Amino acid sequence: ILNVEQSPQSLHVQEGDSTNFTCSFPSSNFYALHWYRWETAKSPEALFVMTLNGDEKKKGRISATLNTKEGYSYLYIKGSQPEDSATYLCALVTGGYQKVTFGTGTKLQVIP
Amino acid sequence: EPEVTQTPSHQVTQMGQEVILRCVPISNHLYFYWYRQILGQKVEFLVSFYNNEISEKSEIFDDQFSVERPDGSNFTLKIRSTKLEDSAMYFCASSEGAGPYGYTFGSGTRLTVV
Repeated sequence: ILNVEQSPQSLHVQEGDSTNFTCSFPSSNFYALHWYRWETAKSPEALFVMTLNGDEKKKGRISATLNTKEGYSYLYIKGSQPEDSATYLCALVTGGYQKVTFGTGTKLQVIP
Repeated sequence: EPEVTQTPSHQVTQMGQEVILRCVPISNHLYFYWYRQILGQKVEFLVSFYNNEISEKSEIFDDQFSVERPDGSNFTLKIRSTKLEDSAMYFCASSEGAGPYGYTFGSGTRLTVV
């Protein structure tokens, strides 16, 4: 059983603050790492798919980095807004791209 | 924007009954998946499906579970004899290929076994 850990479990930040959280995973048999944003009562929405060591991806105020050698990825949110409030999930892809192991998620609450 | 559609949104069933959860993946996607999340726990992989057959399945996906793509558009998950511990949110997802593609998830079916 693969262990994909996310920290912190939950986070409260003030509007305008920047924040980051971590996804840790075993680095063997790595194919890809996904990041998803999951708002309450909606379905998870893909943010990034990262495949290469050293990958950096950006989407608006959200960016992510990947280190496959040491087995971690960071997600950064610059200038948090209330609409960023959601659970952020990372997911490790192994087994020929078709088996995905999700992390426990980081629940972000942005306080106006 | 194309969506993955799941029905019903909520299903209540008696223990021991069979349930079928339905999904309509995005039309040009080739890979299909079922995941579940038991309340308060992690999202768990159940099964992946490609070219009309199961390509990967987890330890959770035992003989009680089956998947089917009966008509080229629907993708179904059947649980033959539901147990209380099958109560969870079940998510269908699809992707356009294997490889570095994100998944598009449906909004889920909440299954409650009583």
